[in-house]
Amino acid sequence: QQQVKQSPQSLIVQKGGIPIINCAYENTAFDYFPWYQQFPGKGPALLIAIRPDVSEKKEGRFTISFNKSAKQFSLHIMDSQPGDSATYFCAASIKQNAGNMLTFGGGTRLMVKP
Amino acid sequence: ETGVTQSPTHLIKTRGQQVTLRCSSQSGHNTVSWYQQALGQGPQFIFQYYREEENGRGNFPPRFSGLQFPNYSSELNVNALELDDSALYLCASSWGTSGEQYFGPGTRLTVT
Repeated sequence: QQQVKQSPQSLIVQKGGIPIINCAYENTAFDYFPWYQQFPGKGPALLIAIRPDVSEKKEGRFTISFNKSAKQFSLHIMDSQPGDSATYFCAASIKQNAGNMLTFGGGTRLMVKP
Repeated sequence: ETGVTQSPTHLIKTRGQQVTLRCSSQSGHNTVSWYQQALGQGPQFIFQYYREEENGRGNFPPRFSGLQFPNYSSELNVNALELDDSALYLCASSWGTSGEQYFGPGTRLTVT
């Protein structure tokens, strides 16, 4: 019940395309849904996040769509660039005493071709 | 404002040995979480420390232990290393229950 399922595992788009990465969860106690971007040899960087009372959030070229009833959320990258080539992880957070515990999806390796 | 830092960057240990990894949290953050990321997988939650107390633990055996210090920096200790412990160990800091966790660059541990 703690799992977060992410798809696809890998994605190749042309520059300017709109890659879409999808995630699904089971545990309705999750209350915060961040996306992280990770480059090889680096730690994950927080990209954008959403709470379940909001259906969409945009920050720059990144948009999260959230469907609470379906327990699904997705990341859209507008006007994708070669520099966006990285591994993307969705995650879901659950409050644990005084903090939060993140459960990650398996990751999507995105390649944006010039 | 300084970000999350971790040391060392890389480490090679032999099976059965013990290892200590270190993390300095981002300024203003009082909570530190540790994650293990195996190659090609998403990070897995090990445990979290808040105000020097363990605040939650994932599905990891007791040979994984930790500490948090009064300045909110933290250590991860792993005893009796196994080959499967080879991974990138990530530290993340946050403020209480805010949910926003910021990761350091990680420590790459190789167990031979």
